[in-house]
Amino acid sequence: DAGVIQSPRHEVTEMGQEVTLRCKPISGHDYLFWYRQTMMRGLELLIYFNNNVPIDDSGMPEDRFSAKMPNASFSTLKIQPSEPRDSAVYFCASSSDSGPRNEQFFGPGTRLTVL
Amino acid sequence: SQKIEQNSEALNIQEGKTATLTCNYTNYSPAYLQWYRQDPGRGPVFLLLIRENEKEKRKERLKVTFDTTLKQSLFHITASQPADSATYLCALETAGGFKTIFGAGTRLFVKA
Repeated sequence: DAGVIQSPRHEVTEMGQEVTLRCKPISGHDYLFWYRQTMMRGLELLIYFNNNVPIDDSGMPEDRFSAKMPNASFSTLKIQPSEPRDSAVYFCASSSDSGPRNEQFFGPGTRLTVL
Repeated sequence: SQKIEQNSEALNIQEGKTATLTCNYTNYSPAYLQWYRQDPGRGPVFLLLIRENEKEKRKERLKVTFDTTLKQSLFHITASQPADSATYLCALETAGGFKTIFGAGTRLFVKA
């Protein structure tokens, strides 16, 4: 398996633009997580899905952020409109309920810069 | 408020020595505690998990302890090597869910 795949790896955009980050989890994993990492706040959980259903989105900073999981092999995190304070590395991770308890497999991350 | 605290200062040790990293938490009752390794420009990689009813867990050169009374976990790397240089994150998960809360991490440098 190729592991968790994220795209793009780097994104530079201007304030006010829409940004869409993409994630393909490991095949067979039924949990998917979106995290944001900054120097100031560390690694923060934004939202997680179980079997494509959002379970906890309490970490989503505000209405500008939305996440979807239309099927078991694809998820998106959208920011509209983007702001400079959204600049961070965004990680997607997946895990399986049948594997070691919540061992999460992280993707390489998307480094987002909002100018 | 709920907090997870890891040493914010980097830990510098000599090759061959044992590195000990600390994770303290307040206002949590975690069912599980995990340790991850993160290299620059990469996502975290899972290392070890310890349950609330376990005192100690070992994996090769790694050892984790979990003291629910002190609300503390210690992470040890014995016979450390320069390749162990990375940031180490502790993470807590409460029972009944998959929501995981991460500490800020401690940067470890192992000198040859």
